[in-house]
Amino acid sequence: KNEVEQSPQNLTAQEGEFITINCSYSVGISALHWLQQHPGGGIVSLFMLSSGKKKHGRLIATINIQEKHSSLHITASHPRDSAVYICAPNSGGSNYKLTFGKGTLLTVNP
Amino acid sequence: DVKVTQSSRYLVKRTGEKVFLECVQDMDHENMFWYRQDPGLGLRLIYFSYDVKMKEKGDIPEGYSVSREKKERFSLILESASTNQTSMYLCASTSSYEQYFGPGTRLTVT
Repeated sequence: KNEVEQSPQNLTAQEGEFITINCSYSVGISALHWLQQHPGGGIVSLFMLSSGKKKHGRLIATINIQEKHSSLHITASHPRDSAVYICAPNSGGSNYKLTFGKGTLLTVNP
Repeated sequence: DVKVTQSSRYLVKRTGEKVFLECVQDMDHENMFWYRQDPGLGLRLIYFSYDVKMKEKGDIPEGYSVSREKKERFSLILESASTNQTSMYLCASTSSYEQYFGPGTRLTVT
């Protein structure tokens, strides 16, 4: 079973700060997802990546497959970025079964 | 726009009742999933289905069953609801690139 560790568990930042959330996993994977869940809201997929780096607006996700590590960065953070961010590696196979980290609760204060 | 819909946002049931949670997706995805989400435990996979009438147990299948008679619909059944099944239930379907989540059903068993 793939063990997934996210850090930090909780993160409080001031608006404008650069944010980094880390994810480590124990088993080799084919791809990794970053998900976002706003308080009381549904879960949205932010990225799926299998190598290198992806950028979407102020969000950047990186992955190092050999080191079994991924990071999610938020540049110029904003209060609307306040949410839980969840790392979810896909261990492979055609059924796309994910294992989930417990999430990082990000609060961005104005 | 991919849509995953769930039959109820909130549900209150009594101990011992049989409970049906319905999930429908409109993107012809083969893979569908049922998760529960609990504070401190994150998302855990209950069951998934990779085709019509095909299903596999996830990490916590005890007390649950599923049905997939049509490709677009995946149902979760609580045969005899218990208080420890009070939780947020999330359905998801997946293409090869993203997981699409439904809005969730908050089930309370009293």
